[in-house]
Parts: sequence; structure tokens; C-alpha cells
Amino acid sequence: GENVEQHPSTLSVQEGDSAVIKCTYSDSASNYFPWYKQELGKRPQLIIDIRSNVGEKKDQRIAVTLNKTAKHFSLHITETQPEDSAVYFCAAIRLWGAAGNKLTFGGGTRVLVKP
Amino acid sequence: EPEVTQTPSHQVTQMGQEVILRCVPISNHLYFYWYRQILGQKVEFLVSFYNNEISEKSEIFDDQFSVERPDGSNFTLKIRSTKLEDSAMYFCASSEGGTPPEQYFGPGTRLTVT
Repeated sequence: GENVEQHPSTLSVQEGDSAVIKCTYSDSASNYFPWYKQELGKRPQLIIDIRSNVGEKKDQRIAVTLNKTAKHFSLHITETQPEDSAVYFCAAIRLWGAAGNKLTFGGGTRVLVKP
Repeated sequence: EPEVTQTPSHQVTQMGQEVILRCVPISNHLYFYWYRQILGQKVEFLVSFYNNEISEKSEIFDDQFSVERPDGSNFTLKIRSTKLEDSAMYFCASSEGGTPPEQYFGPGTRLTVT
């Protein structure tokens, strides 16, 4: 089955700096890669996603890149702000395949933005 | 904005007891999921449910577990004969399907088995 690895497990950045979180996946049939943000005590919420036919996607200060050949994808947060402090999870899905639509998550990255 | 809700937020039970975790998915959603997260570990898929039946389950989801949609709004996870290692945060999620199939998560139920 699919296995998703995520690095680093913790990331501390100064406000205004950039943060980068990297994930690798094992199943080359995975074709959809969402990122979730979970603030302390709250539910995971989708912040951005990318499909396998796209190499990069941007939404304001966050962007995601995908390298299908290397089977890795990354989340980039620019101009970090204290409210970006949270745990971020990457995930992979094989859409419409035998595996259905289950999410396989990475281990999470705890991001701390220091003012 | 509609949200997935879960009750209770925290459940404490003794080993060997049965628990039922409840979820109310978003009303027009068709696909329902349970995930769990043991403290300090990854979020793990347990089961998906569509059209009143299980569409996929993980190896974790053995005979100890069952799911049900008893009416048009609730989606439940039953854990029989709980074990210490069942202690975890249990998340319900729902999706309307479509492409891409964004899954909306509930706030979770923290299950503590003593």
C-alpha cells in the first residue's frame, strides 16, 4: 500500500521567513495530494491540494510543488506569520483506483513561527 | 459554513467495554470515513462508507470495529471490547465526491481506555 513520509517533524522559523515541508510517497498510482493544517485543538483543514497533472500550484502565500518522477511534493509558505503556527499534514490519494479515496497521511510537521 | 460534528469530544472507558463514537457528516455528502491518530503517530485510515456499505477498510478495522449509518444524518463507529491500544483521537470525515474529493474533518473524539 501507499506510504507517505514527511520531513521535518518540527520546524521553527522567524516571522517573515519562508517554511518548506517535504513529503515523499511510494505508490506511483497516487494522483492527488492535499495538505491539511491543524491548529491546536482544532480539526484538520484543507489548505491547498495538487493533482498529478500539475507541477505547481499557488494560493497567496502558500504553494505546493510536485515531482512525479521522484515521487515527492513540497509545501512552501512565504512571509510566515504567527497564525501559520500549526501542525501540517501532507497526504496522498489514488483517485478512482482499487484503493478508493482513502487518505494516506504523512507524519505531520509542527511549525512554530516566532515573532 | 457547514461542518462535520462529532460527539463526545472525550470518552473515557474501561478496557473490555464497548463504545460508540458519533459523527454527523455534512448533509449533502455521500462518502464517509473514520480515521484515528494514536498520540505521536500518523493519522491512519480505518474505513470508508458509501451507499450504506463499507467501500474499503484497513487491516486495523477488524471484527472489533463496525460502522453504521442508522438514519439520514448520523454515522457511527462502534468499538467492541476496547483495548488499551485503542486509545487515540478518532476523526470522522465526509466528502461529497466529485473531483477532487475534498474530505472535511470533524473535530475528533479523544478515546481513553483505562
